[in-house]
Amino acid sequence: DVKVTQSSRYLVKRTGEKVFLECVQDMDHENMFWYRQDPGLGLRLIYFSYDVKMKEKGDIPEGYSVSREKKERFSLILESASTNQTSMYLCASRRGTVNQPQHFGDGTRLSIL
Amino acid sequence: AQSVTQLGSHVSVSEGALVLLRCNYSSSVPPYLFWYVQYPNQGLQLLLKYTTGATLVKGINGFEAEFKKSETSFHLTKPSAHMSDAAEYFCAPSGAGSYQLTFGKGTKLSVIP
Repeated sequence: DVKVTQSSRYLVKRTGEKVFLECVQDMDHENMFWYRQDPGLGLRLIYFSYDVKMKEKGDIPEGYSVSREKKERFSLILESASTNQTSMYLCASRRGTVNQPQHFGDGTRLSIL
Repeated sequence: AQSVTQLGSHVSVSEGALVLLRCNYSSSVPPYLFWYVQYPNQGLQLLLKYTTGATLVKGINGFEAEFKKSETSFHLTKPSAHMSDAAEYFCAPSGAGSYQLTFGKGTKLSVIP
């Protein structure tokens, strides 16, 4: 089974802090994704990566950056956290063809105080 | 780009009753289609997928969905609801050649004993 592991289930940070969310997958998948999930809005794509060191902006990239130095790891960075970034963050990975499903981690519930 | 509509943000059914969750997508090109389920405090889990071939797709936990190109629909059904089916369900089409899935806003299913 594919395993996507997010480093924290719950995280509390303060406004202005630099926040790192880590995601690791164990199935040698080419594609990785970061989403945020908010009530009534569903999942919105922040960034995705189709290969090591490659990244593309999703629908809501403002205030975020990403890093993919190794194939198995995809990091989401909040450069200067703000309260409107309080949300559930979900990481996913997928084999490199679009007819394959995405596999999700359990999510990180991030609170910015 | 794909867009997707899930009719009804909340659906309640009695235990043992038919479950019907509606999904309509907009695309001039037949997409790949996925249904995901999310249990409380967990990530998304793949229920079923349509890529090519048979239009009636069977998934896990007794769910199935039918791809109807003429109606641009991919509704999810289960003949008899169980208490354990209470969760949020997401429909997600993907355009051919696109890295991205477009998620619906989700339908929260409640099962009444």
